[in-house]
Amino acid sequence: AQSVAQPEDQVNVAEGNPLTVKCTYSVSGNPYLFWYVQYPNRGLQFLLKYITGDNLVKGSYGFEAEFNKSQTSFHLKKPSALVSDSALYFCAVRGHSNYQLIWGAGTKLIIKP
Amino acid sequence: NAGVTQTPKFQVLKTGQSMTLQCAQDMNHEYMSWYRQDPGMGLRLIHYSVGAGITDQGEVPNGYNVSRSTTEDFPLRLLSAAPSQTSVYFCASTQGETQYFGPGTRLLVL
Repeated sequence: AQSVAQPEDQVNVAEGNPLTVKCTYSVSGNPYLFWYVQYPNRGLQFLLKYITGDNLVKGSYGFEAEFNKSQTSFHLKKPSALVSDSALYFCAVRGHSNYQLIWGAGTKLIIKP
Repeated sequence: NAGVTQTPKFQVLKTGQSMTLQCAQDMNHEYMSWYRQDPGMGLRLIHYSVGAGITDQGEVPNGYNVSRSTTEDFPLRLLSAAPSQTSVYFCASTQGETQYFGPGTRLLVL
């Protein structure tokens, strides 16, 4: 069965430091992987996706993610965190049917000034 | 474009009451879906539609009905509300591989 795991409920980072939000997945076949962000009292917004090609994917707001097939991971990264990056981050993988996504539980990212 | 809109933003129901959560999109997307978001559980798919007149069940469909009479609208109906349906509900439409979410409806069932 397809699944996604986000092992950290919360990640705390000081402003200006690099950040990593972890995601691992389990799929049959080639994975389609996604990161979304949710700001307080808002809907989710698309950040980036990996479908095929370069393992390092660049997305919105300076975020990037690295696809690692051998470790079945798709960690979200940013070189220098901003306080405004504080939000809830979700990793997702496409399910068996087109367009259906299977979601991780989410990781709360807190950036402290 | 307004994108995906949802009404109401917040609703309180008593157990047994019924209501409809509205969702509309103006991007002419064929695929739309309803999720519920509960703490620590991510998003769970309730129902989805691949086009007008076509709907199907997701992961947690019990207690909910949907219809898709037009491309734009995808309402979610709670038939007889239960406290277990207290949640935040998100509607989304999809283009390509990207989902576009509405702002959500926060539902409290007493």
